Amino acid sequence: DSGVTQTPKHLITATGQRVTLRCSPRSGDLSVYWYQQSLDQGLQFLIQYYNGEERAKGNILERFSAQQFPDLHSELNLSSLELGDSALYFCASSVAGVGYTFGSGTRLTVV
Amino acid sequence: DAKTTQPTSMDCAEGRAANLPCNHSTISGNEYVYWYRQIHSQGPQYIIHGLKNNETNEMASLIITEDRKSSTLILPHATLRDTAVYYCIVRGNFGNEKLTFGTGTRLTIIP
Repeated sequence: DSGVTQTPKHLITATGQRVTLRCSPRSGDLSVYWYQQSLDQGLQFLIQYYNGEERAKGNILERFSAQQFPDLHSELNLSSLELGDSALYFCASSVAGVGYTFGSGTRLTVV
Repeated sequence: DAKTTQPTSMDCAEGRAANLPCNHSTISGNEYVYWYRQIHSQGPQYIIHGLKNNETNEMASLIITEDRKSSTLILPHATLRDTAVYYCIVRGNFGNEKLTFGTGTRLTIIP
């Protein structure tokens, strides 16, 4: 157990639908990062939050959004889902950017 | 962030030392070298990181050349459980803390 908790572990949904992925960081970690890993793209950085504020943005689609709540957990919202959104979604947390710890991921399948 | 170059794949005999090279010729003076690995579809696992000096922990050793343009990750006594994709990453300055993953090296430990 890495200390970073992601739920759900698996998610199957239809095209056009909306889903929410949840991440609880390690205790004390203020930064949360979201990554997408699809078969043909490798690990792609999506977005980072630090203590509730957006810190950095990567290749995140406009259909995707995220937020970090006062208790530091984060949610990644994916809407108008397409087949190509099928991927593993990882959350990671860190203290001041040192020693990132990744969760075990959410496997999203869009059918 | 500086770009890294790694071999696509490597094999190593079980019980031998696995030496994984990485080139990062455009690294800046205040950028760190990080190593992560990903076993199958699990979340990436932190291994080690360094700035200038060689580093060692319970998992591995990191050797950074004096000019910092390349580094080598050493797994001293490889086991079958070390079979994974290993990523060498150069991390940006504080305030730009995302990890940019390349394609990594697929290390296979041979019994």
